[in-house]
Amino acid sequence: GAGVSQSPRYKVAKRGQDVALRCDPISGHVSLFWYQQALGQGPEFLTYFQNEAQLDKSGLPSDRFFAERPEGSVSTLKIQRTQQEDSAVYLCASSLDFRGGEQYFGPGTRLTVT
Amino acid sequence: QQQVKQSPQSLIVQKGGISIINCAYENTAFDYFPWYQQFPGKGPALLIAIRPDVSEKKEGRFTISFNKSAKQFSLHIMDSQPGDSATYFCAARRGSARQLTFGSGTQLTVLP
Repeated sequence: GAGVSQSPRYKVAKRGQDVALRCDPISGHVSLFWYQQALGQGPEFLTYFQNEAQLDKSGLPSDRFFAERPEGSVSTLKIQRTQQEDSAVYLCASSLDFRGGEQYFGPGTRLTVT
Repeated sequence: QQQVKQSPQSLIVQKGGISIINCAYENTAFDYFPWYQQFPGKGPALLIAIRPDVSEKKEGRFTISFNKSAKQFSLHIMDSQPGDSATYFCAARRGSARQLTFGSGTQLTVLP
């Protein structure tokens, strides 16, 4: 289909609330990535899926962050007990093959924790 | 540890001029070097990418120059246009991993 889509585009959460961010990758793309982009900075890797398997979660900043891709397509990034330092844009990217080359990014979800 | 260093942080160029953005990397295991363009409120979009077995790659007005011995690569935008005004990110990936390591970005402004 079209490109990578993400929802919601904007999310405001009170400190301590849980949030769930959704990513719909390009149909048929094997690899899916989550990145965190702080204001004025480059994206930083959070986690990677190959189909439904989470192969790398080394970038998740704490155990409050959890991601899943149960059927190998849509993915959800969940943040529990949000903190102010979690405020950022969360980007999802997908890639056709398992090597992760040519990653196509969604528009991101801007999370603001108040 | 900042594995990919990008400069300058901001760049102002006149319409029709050449924009040059530089990146340097530390990890010699990197084997794929893409450049992304990002407009406000949008996700990064892949512009052009190079692998270390070539020294230059050109696509339209965009050229990547790659210097493996110096561990540096750069993006050249020829005939810069106001529509090119955006933030540009270099990135790198090492073969055993899949994720990209990004530079800190360059905000390009092309004056009409």
